[in-house]
Amino acid sequence: SQELEQSPQSLIVQEGKNLTINCTSSKTLYGLYWYKQKYGEGLIFLMMLQKGGEEKSHEKITAKLDEKKQQSSLHITASQPSHAGIYLCGADGGGSQGNLIFGKGTKLSVKP
Amino acid sequence: NAGVTQTPKFRVLKTGQSMTLLCAQDMNHEYMYWYRQDPGMGLRLIHYSVGEGTTAKGEVPDGYNVSRLKKQNFLLGLESAAPSQTSVYFCASSYMWARAEAFFGQGTRLTVV
Repeated sequence: SQELEQSPQSLIVQEGKNLTINCTSSKTLYGLYWYKQKYGEGLIFLMMLQKGGEEKSHEKITAKLDEKKQQSSLHITASQPSHAGIYLCGADGGGSQGNLIFGKGTKLSVKP
Repeated sequence: NAGVTQTPKFRVLKTGQSMTLLCAQDMNHEYMYWYRQDPGMGLRLIHYSVGEGTTAKGEVPDGYNVSRLKKQNFLLGLESAAPSQTSVYFCASSYMWARAEAFFGQGTRLTVV
């Protein structure tokens, strides 16, 4: 079955710095999702990637799915305290439709 | 538009007690999911449903049962709660499989003592 590995597990950056979070799969990714979660709250959808080489941006957050569709990266430019939270990638877990799985998440802290 | 609503938001159970968590969505979505979230473990899929009357096991189904009698509702049951089931539970729904956003509820914080 599919597994999603996220790196790093946690990240502390100074406000204004750029950062990258990675999501790697053991199998081809179909419908790769990125979500953000603030402590104690639900998940906020950021973006979804489907095609190899696809890149999407929302405000200062850019996500890309590599050509082989086995790795996705999430890049934040000029980080702000509002970017702090847990970032999770999700994808098809394989086996049957509906098996939507997630990585363990990357905890991002932004120091003012 | 309410989206995905989970009931209750908080609950404390004694070991051995039973309870049902309710997830309701008003978006006419076919797919619904139940996850648990524990520190350092991310979101783990418990059970999911691809339509009314259907359910399937996810990664960690033991100790839980589900039902999807109505398209808009997905119930998660704990027949005999154990401390290991202390967690935050999230429900989600989506319109299409792997081609559409999954919408999440706000979570249910369950403590089993």
